[in-house]
Amino acid sequence: DMKVTQMPRYLIKRMGENVLLECGQDMSHETMYWYRQDPGLGLQLIYISYDVDSNSEGDIPKGYRVSRKKREHFSLILDSAKTNQTSVYFCASTTGVNYAEQFFGPGTRLTVL
Amino acid sequence: QQQVRQSSQSLTVWEGETAILNCSYENSAFDYFPWYQQFPGEGPALLIAIRSVSDKKEDGRFTIFFNKREKNLSLHIKDSQPGDSATYFCAASGAGTGSNRLTFGKGTKFSLIP
Repeated sequence: DMKVTQMPRYLIKRMGENVLLECGQDMSHETMYWYRQDPGLGLQLIYISYDVDSNSEGDIPKGYRVSRKKREHFSLILDSAKTNQTSVYFCASTTGVNYAEQFFGPGTRLTVL
Repeated sequence: QQQVRQSSQSLTVWEGETAILNCSYENSAFDYFPWYQQFPGEGPALLIAIRSVSDKKEDGRFTIFFNKREKNLSLHIKDSQPGDSATYFCAASGAGTGSNRLTFGKGTKFSLIP
């Protein structure tokens, strides 16, 4: 059963703390993504990973970094979180055949106080 | 500059009616247009998609109508049912528009009057 998982599902942090969001997929997909979703703004692309240690900035990378050491895992890191990083974060993955068909995880709701 | 635009933030119709969700785009290099459906508390999921060589794609009660000349498309939901209440995202992709990327619209929240 094809699946993208995200941990944790909910997270509350204080401003200035570090945040680690984790994503896993069991489909051996090469390409993975991190998005954030805010009300009325749709999905904004933060980072793309084409494979292990092959990452590229998306449209809003500032304040974020990523790590991909295994094909099935993709992490999003916020060093010294800011209140404007409060959002819902989605991870997605896709095969190299049709990258427009993306499989999304259930999301992580992050609140930065 | 918003490359994919959904004309309505929200849409409400009576149960059983046909709902029409509109989308337009600016980049002529876009050639593939998926629609994603998202229920509250879940991630988006691919619903239906069309390539720019076609003008219509049908899958059950969902149909995409595509107009390449006008750079717009619409998602029709026939015989709307309570389970269709969700947010719908129009998206676009194409060779040369950015490697392995989808450009999303801001979404239309669709609901029914019971």
